[in-house]
Amino acid sequence: DAKTTQPPSMDCAEGRAANLPCNHSTISGNEYVYWYRQIHSQGPQYIIHGLKNNETNEMASLIITEDRKSSTLILPHATLRDTAVYYCIVRVDQGGKLIFGQGTELSVKP
Amino acid sequence: DADVTQTPRNRITKTGKRIMLECSQTKGHDRMYWYRQDPGLGLQLIYYSFDVKDINKGEISDGYSVSRQAQAKFSLSLESAIPNQTALYFCATPRVVEQYFGPGTRLTVT
Repeated sequence: DAKTTQPPSMDCAEGRAANLPCNHSTISGNEYVYWYRQIHSQGPQYIIHGLKNNETNEMASLIITEDRKSSTLILPHATLRDTAVYYCIVRVDQGGKLIFGQGTELSVKP
Repeated sequence: DADVTQTPRNRITKTGKRIMLECSQTKGHDRMYWYRQDPGLGLQLIYYSFDVKDINKGEISDGYSVSRQAQAKFSLSLESAIPNQTALYFCATPRVVEQYFGPGTRLTVT
């Protein structure tokens, strides 16, 4: 089973920051937090990952709480093309396989 | 050119037919995975391969078989298709933490 809990859906106004929460209270000390997104039945796309420290790349920022029990993905200026299902993943089996949960369906509205 | 390609992109077949889905990658990675996605749900792992000689069952391998013909090619077969195998099928190959997904094959079994 996936080890994450995410809200099933969220809305965000275009141009505003989208903050997507994820709870992972049973995360182990050596497990990373990964975020992927899936746009309308396309193949999932990697966004960002982190272990303890906050991370930022050209797509997003990842904020991980100090106790590592939750994290937030931030899309700083959401556009209509960011409308997608966002998956927070913390369980990665030994073989590197991703264990997907239900994800959050983000709708960016004009 | 895409890093991971899948053929066919769409397929409609009848119950009891044998069907093969093909995946090719140009990343030069050893590992390749097959996932299945049912409507409104996250992806589930069917089979994975660490290299040409190492193939393993995933969460939902019953009714499926695979063949790793070369480092770049990983095929998924449905020996005798049934309607509840109607789904989106994704092939993926990882690089360290990032997985590259193909565009998917939409399979309908009538």
